[in-house]
Formats: sequence, structure tokens, C-alpha cells
Amino acid sequence: DTAVSQTPKYLVTQMGNDKSIKCEQNLGHDTMYWYKQDSKKFLKIMFSYNNKELIINETVPNRFSPKSPDKAHLNLHINSLELGDSAVYFCASSQTDKNTGELFFGEGSRLTVL
Amino acid sequence: AQSVTQLGSHVSVSEGALVLLRCNYSSSVPPYLFWYVQYPNQGLQLLLKYTSAATLVKGINGFEAEFKKSETSFHLTKPSAHMSDAAEYFCAVSPFSGGYQKVTFGTGTKLQVIP
Repeated sequence: DTAVSQTPKYLVTQMGNDKSIKCEQNLGHDTMYWYKQDSKKFLKIMFSYNNKELIINETVPNRFSPKSPDKAHLNLHINSLELGDSAVYFCASSQTDKNTGELFFGEGSRLTVL
Repeated sequence: AQSVTQLGSHVSVSEGALVLLRCNYSSSVPPYLFWYVQYPNQGLQLLLKYTSAATLVKGINGFEAEFKKSETSFHLTKPSAHMSDAAEYFCAVSPFSGGYQKVTFGTGTKLQVIP
């Protein structure tokens, strides 16, 4: 059983299009995250939700809109895609009361904007 | 504020040799510290973590790391490298403050193991 699963794994699209990535975790965690990993492997947090409430919102363009329908799901919608959005997007989850900061990652969604 | 510096974006070792990946941290509060490994086309997985208990932490696959507060370091070591250790390694820091965790990652070190 996959603990944190993301779909799709690969996305190739044209500039200006809109796309979504979905994430689900079956670990019973209360917090979920989106991270962006660029071509140099640098990982940067984008958003975090705790029990469906947005708690971390880093400096990310408004074209990126996360949504958490319940604590097991976190989606990321990107409008008007740009070349610079090409990256691997990782979903992760954690449990707040475990209080260790350990993150559980999905396998990533590689977005290529042409 | 917190940050992590990983010295060396690429490290090459021979199979069977010692692996040493360096990490220095900066944190305004006592930190939790982590090492994650990323194999090609996969997500990150936890190797080991320091959470203010023992300063020498043992992880999976024979890796260990030592927390040195005086040096603000958390270097990762393995006595004998295997080919399967070739991967990207990330050091990360999180504030020991409870509540929501904002984890900051280093820029990663790519480990190459030469046969």
C-alpha cells in the first residue's frame, strides 16, 4: 500500500494551460504539504494544510492554488503555466502531535512546460 | 529563522570506502535534524533523525550521524559504501517548538560510488 500517492506522475503541457496534481495519504496524518524541487534538486516548501486549514503559504504566485477537501487529500491547481513552473512537485504528510517534523513524501509529479 | 548548509554538491567515494557527507545548521531554537535520501525518480525517504535524545543517531542502511552543538554540525557517515548508496542526500532542520513543522532542506549532496 502506497502511503503518499500522487497523480499524475508525469505531466507535459504547453505554456498557458491549466493543470492539476492530486495527492492522497493513507497514514492518518493531519498535515500535508506541497514542495517544489527545481532542476538543481533544491526543495522549497510551497503550502501546508493542517486538517484542511492552510497554515503555510510561502511566496508563491497566485497562479498556484492548493485545495484540501479533507485531511487525507491535497490538490494543487496551476493556472496559466509558465516555463519556469517546470519542476518536480512533491506532496508530503506529517503528524503534528508526533512533533518530530518527520515528513513522508510521495514519489513526485514531474511537470514539463513547453 | 533556520537554515542548512551542505558542503559539497557532489561527493565520490570508492566502493567499500568511508562515506562522509557534511551538514551545518543554523537555528534560533533547539533543532530537530534529519537526513533524507532520494533515489532517482523517487521521493525522499528518511534515513535518520535527531530529536534531542542521543547525539549519535543510527539510521537505516548502516548510516549514522552525530549532532555536535558546539560545531552546529550534523554530518552523515557510513563506514563502507555500497553501490546501492548512490543517491542524492538532503540534510534538513525543523524547529523544536512543537505545533506545525516547517522543515528547511539543504541543497543536497549527490553521492557517487565508484566500483
